[in-house]
Amino acid sequence: NAGVMQNPRHLVRRRGQEARLRCSPMKGHSHVYWYRQLPEEGLKFMVYLQKENIIDESGMPKERFSAEFPKEGPSILRIQQVVRGDSAAYFCASSARGYGYTFGSGTRLTVV
Amino acid sequence: AQKITQTQPGMFVQEKEAVTLDCTYDTSDQSYGLFWYKQPSSGEMIFLIYQGSYDEQNATEGRYSLNFQKARKSANLVISASQLGDSAMYFCASYMKTSYDKVIFGPGTSLSVIP
Repeated sequence: NAGVMQNPRHLVRRRGQEARLRCSPMKGHSHVYWYRQLPEEGLKFMVYLQKENIIDESGMPKERFSAEFPKEGPSILRIQQVVRGDSAAYFCASSARGYGYTFGSGTRLTVV
Repeated sequence: AQKITQTQPGMFVQEKEAVTLDCTYDTSDQSYGLFWYKQPSSGEMIFLIYQGSYDEQNATEGRYSLNFQKARKSANLVISASQLGDSAMYFCASYMKTSYDKVIFGPGTSLSVIP
């Protein structure tokens, strides 16, 4: 029973490039959450998605960031035109009923 | 709005001793849940323990116990018989059952276990 799978584990992008982070929830989980952890800080909520729907995106920056969770396939967090301040660890979590999270191992994004 | 406070940025404990990590929360909801997560230097988030606001007994999971004081809005984590592998960041978190959409995390406490 695989857990929440995130890939890549590490991602390096040059300023101005796009970053695509993938998250496959646990089998049977239809709720996905994305969090960002800046260096030396706690986790900050970004977005909550169910299949094909964005439920709460109150933590998403207004520009350059988007998220989707299609009917088939993983959830994608997309960051366009990355800047140095986007360097962080991005965690995905999934749940079956909207609470009771299981976290993935995270994607560490470094913008150079 | 929810808010989690962890007032101890860093803690030290001698191996085999017990340690308490503080957490207070601020919510107006009557129905909510509280979590503790461990983040070792490798970076993954490891679930430790959960307490529901209506649970009458304090949650325990092995060497971890949650000292839940509802009136004080306090949910401290107690680790008994500390081990070197307990050195990590520890995050307190909460969610409201009226709004299943997100869990809010505190800023964390860094625990170092000294041999």
